[in-house]
Amino acid sequence: KQEVTQIPAALSVPEGENLVLNCSFTDSAIYNLQWFRQDPGKGLTSLLLIQSSQREQTSGRLNASLDKSSGRSTLYIAASQPGDSATYLCAVRSGTYKYIFGTGTRLKVLA
Amino acid sequence: DAGVIQSPRHEVTEMGQEVTLRCKPISGHDYLFWYRQTMMRGLELLIYFNNNVPIDDSGMPEDRFSAKMPNASFSTLKIQPSEPRDSAVYFCASAEGNEQFFGPGTRLTVL
Repeated sequence: KQEVTQIPAALSVPEGENLVLNCSFTDSAIYNLQWFRQDPGKGLTSLLLIQSSQREQTSGRLNASLDKSSGRSTLYIAASQPGDSATYLCAVRSGTYKYIFGTGTRLKVLA
Repeated sequence: DAGVIQSPRHEVTEMGQEVTLRCKPISGHDYLFWYRQTMMRGLELLIYFNNNVPIDDSGMPEDRFSAKMPNASFSTLKIQPSEPRDSAVYFCASAEGNEQFFGPGTRLTVL
């Protein structure tokens, strides 16, 4: 059974810092991995999608990497801004269209 | 496109009452997902459809929960009878290909 873990659960950093969020999964036979952002009281917004054959994806200040063999993905946020404050979730798809979500990292960027 | 539309946005009901949540997916998307999010259990997949057909309902917690997708543009999640432990945010998401798009969610409170 696939399990997805995100560390740390919460993170508080000063504005301008580069930071890394971690996502670990127990079954390396994945189809893809997706990173989402969730603002308080809102739905999830897709940030980056990495196929199992890819090593990384980039969008603006965001870079996500995938190491299937070790069961890990990282989301790198460069030059963090207060507007980046949100909860970040990773989701793993294994074969079927069933996505398993991590518990999220709650990020606060201080001005 | 307006994105995934859910209604109502908030629902407060009393224990034992029937609750119906509604979802309109993004036009052209052939997958539809229902999720439940709580502080204790995070984001859990309840059921998903492909071309209006339920594919995996293993996440549906009890027989009190049922979901239908009568056509490509509409789905419902029904709870009958509702219980206080059903209080959560219920999300609908749709997908074409690999990327999921989430609705804003319905916050359900069962008193």
